[in-house]
Amino acid sequence: GQNIDQPTEMTATEGAIVQINCTYQTSGFNGLFWYQQHAGEAPTFLSYNVLDGLEEKGRFSSFLSRSKGYSYLLLKELQMKDSASYLCAVRERGNTPLVFGKGTRLSVIA
Amino acid sequence: EADIYQTPRYLVIGTGKKITLECSQTMGHDKMYWYQQDPGMELHLIHYSYGVNSTEKGDLSSESTVSRIRTEHFPLTLESARPSHTSQYLCASGDRPDEQYFGPGTRLTVT
Repeated sequence: GQNIDQPTEMTATEGAIVQINCTYQTSGFNGLFWYQQHAGEAPTFLSYNVLDGLEEKGRFSSFLSRSKGYSYLLLKELQMKDSASYLCAVRERGNTPLVFGKGTRLSVIA
Repeated sequence: EADIYQTPRYLVIGTGKKITLECSQTMGHDKMYWYQQDPGMELHLIHYSYGVNSTEKGDLSSESTVSRIRTEHFPLTLESARPSHTSQYLCASGDRPDEQYFGPGTRLTVT
């Protein structure tokens, strides 16, 4: 079966750093995605990890540990516009459809 | 990023009507997907295609159908709309394992 877990909600302060965790149990693994989704809009791609380690892209970084079935998305220097849902998704094998977690709703407060 | 388009962006329609939601992409992707998402809820895969004349049902039981006659076009049809179909419908495409890009979505309301 497939199981992808993320916290439902998080709140953080403008200018701070926040880490959004994702754990997964899937029958296979061929990459983990993070998407950002503002309310009422489509998901936009943030990052892709297939090997262990940290991938950095500006204020956003994503980490993967395949042995632990664990990833996190790190957002630095939080801005109000970062208030959104963050979706973790796993591709189990080949190029099969992504399996999505339920998303983490992040609220950035002043 | 892929250029992927959906029309209409918003649709309000009465119960029992037949509707087709359009999705097109200009990147030549073979793989395309339809997801359904209720407000604040998770994405559910309803249909996908790995190329022309290939369609598969996803995890969510859906009363919709799809067709893939051309690579760039992947329309979703509801034969008889019901209030339970009120939702956002998201189309996506991407061929490489490290890519999947979403269209802007169609927000459907069935009255």
